[in-house]
Amino acid sequence: EVQLVESGGGLVQPGRSLKLSCAASGFTFSDYYMAWVRQAPTKGLEWVASISYDGGSTYYRDSVKGRFTISRDNAKSSLYLQMDSLRSEDTATYYCTTDRDYDYFDYWGQGVMVTVSS
Amino acid sequence: DVQMTQSPSNLAASPGESVSINCKASKSISKYLAWYQQKPGKANKLLIYSGSTLQSGTPSRFSGSGSGTDFTLTIRNLEPEDFGLYYCQQHNEYPRTFGGGTKLELK
Repeated sequence: EVQLVESGGGLVQPGRSLKLSCAASGFTFSDYYMAWVRQAPTKGLEWVASISYDGGSTYYRDSVKGRFTISRDNAKSSLYLQMDSLRSEDTATYYCTTDRDYDYFDYWGQGVMVTVSS
Repeated sequence: DVQMTQSPSNLAASPGESVSINCKASKSISKYLAWYQQKPGKANKLLIYSGSTLQSGTPSRFSGSGSGTDFTLTIRNLEPEDFGLYYCQQHNEYPRTFGGGTKLELK
C-alpha cells in the first residue's frame, strides 16, 4: 500500500524558514517524479513544486521560485521542501504527492499545515 | 496559466441518483484533464486522468468525458461514500492548474 507521510509543519513568523519532509513507502520511490501541492484554508488546490526521478530537474510555480527548494533522497525514500522567506500567503496545508509523468498526481499524503503569522 | 472553472460550486443529491460536475478550461487542453476526490481525514484520491481513463481502483460508476475546453465528471447511482469535494486539474500545460472545487452534499 502506498503511504506518504508529511511532517515538519507548524507556526512560523513571516520571513523565517521551515523544512517539510515526506516519508514514502509501499512503492519504488525512485521510479516516480514527486511533487508538493498546497491548499490555503477554504481554498482550492495549487501545485507548488516537482522534482524528477533522480532530483536532476526541479520545477516551481512562479510565486515560490527563489524561496522554496524541493529535494529528494532516494536512499531514504524521502521528499523535502525547504521554504525560506515565508509569507502570509504561503499559509496552507501542504501535500506530498507522486507526480505521474509530470502530468497528474496519483497518490497523496494527508497533508501538513503551515501557518505563517506574526 | 490555464484557468479552470468548475460548476456548480455546490450540489446536493441523494444516494442512488446520478450527478454531473462540469469543468471548463480557459483554452483548449485537448483531452488532458484529471479528477480528484477530497474527503475530510482521508488522502485525496485520483479518480480519472486524460479525460476519461479511470485510475486503478476507481469504481465504474464514475466516468469522465469531454475534450478541448469542456469536461464532465458523471457519477451514476451515488453511494454514501461519494459525498465530498471534487476537483478537476488540467495536465496539458505547465503550470498545471486546478479548478475551484465542487462540493457534493447529501440531500
